[in-house]
Amino acid sequence: EVQLVESGGDLVQPGGSLRLSCAASGFTFSSNPMSWVRQAPGKGLEWVSAISGSGDNTYYADSVKGRFTISRDNSKSTLYLQMSSLRAEDTAVYYCAKEKRITPAGTVAFDYWGQGTLVTVSS
Amino acid sequence: EIVLTQSPGTLSLSPGERATLSCRASQSASSTYLAWYQQKPGQAPRLLIYGASTRATGIPDRFRGSGSGTDFTLTISRLEPEDFAVYYCQQYGGSWTFGQGTKVEVK
Repeated sequence: EVQLVESGGDLVQPGGSLRLSCAASGFTFSSNPMSWVRQAPGKGLEWVSAISGSGDNTYYADSVKGRFTISRDNSKSTLYLQMSSLRAEDTAVYYCAKEKRITPAGTVAFDYWGQGTLVTVSS
Repeated sequence: EIVLTQSPGTLSLSPGERATLSCRASQSASSTYLAWYQQKPGQAPRLLIYGASTRATGIPDRFRGSGSGTDFTLTISRLEPEDFAVYYCQQYGGSWTFGQGTKVEVK
């Protein structure tokens, strides 16, 4: 059974930093690209960042580029999101998601999601 | 970046009725990368449809996805009590984007 368990969410002051983790199990972690998706309170979904299975390729939404860093430790089956220079508008539930890949198209959707971890940026 | 616009914002229906949800893209989008998700309060999104029309594992056949180009549709043939939720479409056009969601509520 695929499981994704996020942790690390907290209350942080504007300008602060935080690292989120996502522990994966039930599938071959190193073979799968992963993403972070966030949802502000009462709002819709926003894709934040993605990383290839090897970790060699990373991608970011413009809203977080230069402030957030995605990484992974395949030996620990864990995905990370290092967040810095946090702003009030970064307040959201952050989900990690496993990307569904189909040959030859590549990633076509996100087929498994964690339960989310809440990040609140406020003074 | 492709902008996805979902309509209506809210759909008020009774169990057993048919629900038709629309997702319009700001430019022609590949059906391969069009997906639909269901989200219930306090829960993570659940993948329903990918490739515009392929049901994900375990999704009942009352959920049907269709469309191409700029217009995509999610149809729920007969609403069950557990289908009342928010539905999002998603597309890849250089980056992943989501529509703003359609809430299906009990009338």
